[in-house]
Amino acid sequence: DIQMSQSPSSLSASVGDSVIITCRASQTIGRFLNWYQQKPGEAPEMLISAASTLESGVPSRFSGSGSGTDFTLTISSLQPEDFATYYCQQGVGTIAFGQGTRLDIK
Amino acid sequence: QVTLKESGPVLVKPTETLTLTCTVSGFSLSNARLGVSWIRQPPGKALEWLAHIFSSDKKDYNTSLKTRLTISEDTSIGQVVLTMTSMDPVDTGTYYCARIFAGNLGMDVWGQGTTVTVSS
Repeated sequence: DIQMSQSPSSLSASVGDSVIITCRASQTIGRFLNWYQQKPGEAPEMLISAASTLESGVPSRFSGSGSGTDFTLTISSLQPEDFATYYCQQGVGTIAFGQGTRLDIK
Repeated sequence: QVTLKESGPVLVKPTETLTLTCTVSGFSLSNARLGVSWIRQPPGKALEWLAHIFSSDKKDYNTSLKTRLTISEDTSIGQVVLTMTSMDPVDTGTYYCARIFAGNLGMDVWGQGTTVTVSS
């Protein structure tokens, strides 16, 4: 099975900052990589599919890139509502999520 | 509007079998490009994918839990059922169902989740 690892596991930032979250697959997955945001007490929401395609309604400050085994989620100009936990998920064969990255307010 | 809603017991005893139902609306389970996935999340921990099913009767299971899981669907009433045998306290958590696309296995709409506690 293809495993996913995210880094960092947590980070602190301020409103207006830009942050990058990375996700690495244990084998190549092309661009079959999806990103989700989860706020406390809520279900996850899909942000990005196919490595870089923004879901409808997702602000343009979110962007994704990468292919093969290495992927990034970039959030530019952080807003208060962006402080949440982010997960990557690979869509090749048996599905797997990363362990999550918790983004806190500094 | 696409919605999914999980239902099932709040409390199960160790060794019992858990049965969860996901009722969908706003899309057809007969659409071969759309399916339903189950995901769980222990308190304070990460998401863990469990299983998914597509109308072509294509199913897949988490390798580590495969022997305990069964997923099925009734397309006529828009429901997907997940059973998990031999429940243990470590299976405590929130269980979600989500709509999944066959192409990239992305999950674009999620249910609100249902909390299951395993305790005697």
